[in-house]
Amino acid sequence: GNSVTQMEGPVTLSEEAFLTINCTYTATGYPSLFWYVQYPGEGLQLLLKATKADDKGSNKGFEATYRKETTSFHLEKGSVQVSDSAVYFCALSDRLGSGNTGKLIFGQGTTLQVKP
Amino acid sequence: DSGVTQTPKHLITATGQRVTLRCSPRSGDLSVYWYQQSLDQGLQFLIQYYNGEERAKGNILERFSAQQFPDLHSELNLSSLELGDSALYFCASSATGGGVETQYFGPGTRLLVL
Repeated sequence: GNSVTQMEGPVTLSEEAFLTINCTYTATGYPSLFWYVQYPGEGLQLLLKATKADDKGSNKGFEATYRKETTSFHLEKGSVQVSDSAVYFCALSDRLGSGNTGKLIFGQGTTLQVKP
Repeated sequence: DSGVTQTPKHLITATGQRVTLRCSPRSGDLSVYWYQQSLDQGLQFLIQYYNGEERAKGNILERFSAQQFPDLHSELNLSSLELGDSALYFCASSATGGGVETQYFGPGTRLLVL
């Protein structure tokens, strides 16, 4: 079945450090890939997405490239800020496998803590 | 603010009871999704509705049911509650429910079963 695997957290970085959060997936069809972020006490917000192979999603300095050959969608940011502290979720929507229903399958989430 | 509203924000109840969680989607969105977030299971898809009709079902227990009304708001009914049902329940909405769309999440309802 479809699944998403994220690197274990928590990840603790100093401000202005480089961030990578690894995400790999298994899917039967042609998935769209998403990164969602959850700030403390809030719901999830879309951070970025990519809908086909080699697409790069980007937003607020974060980037991720849809790599079909390695089934990966790693999240990167060149210089993190304290305000980036949150839980990050990688997710997929398998249009073919789920009949284009939009059902999201999430990874387990990675907690990022950025220290000043 | 995502535009998705959920009520109540917090709910404390006892085992064996029944509760109803309510969700109003973003204006113009026809599809509503329900997800459960718990420490042991993570974020799991429960069910999706599109324009009043059930579109997809995930790991939703038989004790749970949902519906989407003509005004597009949705309710998730949880009955015969058990301690393990304690979780954060999110509602999300999207325009037409397709796989490439962004889903907009509400702030969640935190359910505690004692």
